[in-house]
Amino acid sequence: GAVVSQHPSWVICKSGTSVKIECRSLDFQATTMFWYRQFPKQSLMLMATSNEGSKATYEQGVEKDKFLINHASLTLSTLTVTSAHPEDSSFYICSAPSPILSSYEQYFGPGTRLTVT
Amino acid sequence: GQQLNQSPQSMFIQEGEDVSMNCTSSSIFNTWLWYKQDPGEGPVLLIALYKAGELTSNGRLTAQFGITRKDSFLNISASIPSDVGIYFCAGPDSGGFKTIFGAGTRLFVKA
Repeated sequence: GAVVSQHPSWVICKSGTSVKIECRSLDFQATTMFWYRQFPKQSLMLMATSNEGSKATYEQGVEKDKFLINHASLTLSTLTVTSAHPEDSSFYICSAPSPILSSYEQYFGPGTRLTVT
Repeated sequence: GQQLNQSPQSMFIQEGEDVSMNCTSSSIFNTWLWYKQDPGEGPVLLIALYKAGELTSNGRLTAQFGITRKDSFLNISASIPSDVGIYFCAGPDSGGFKTIFGAGTRLFVKA
């Protein structure tokens, strides 16, 4: 089946620094990828849609200047949390839609645990 | 907007028991998806349903697409400790592009 990887799996950074998270589709191409954020005991919250070759689409309330998204190729999207603060600590998960056009399934990465101290 | 309501929020069961959880919406969905998220991992698709009334099994899991297209249920038979996790129902939004997730049902299995 289709596999999506994320790197790093966890990261600890100091307040004010920036952190980059990578999301890769390993055996298929993805012109679109999705970035989610998940707080403890809560559901997935869609942050933005990453589009290869064009600007990302952000959900309402998500600061585009703080969460920079770059979809550099058909297999790689990156999320950079700029000037991170403790309230940005969360579990970040990316996903890519199934390459099968008639399917609405998504393949999720394993997630990245971000802790800002 | 479209919302998915899952119940129950959490379940505490004994190993070997059967489990049933459901998902409802005030709007019609043309596809229902059930995902499981293990602790500290990303969600993994369990079952996808594409037709109203469809009943699909995957091992000990059985899911049904409600005939009204506004609900779906997931059953787990003879639960085991590795069934522990969060189960999400999901479906495509009206644009067919993004996925809407329910709040999840947290399952705890006691050996």
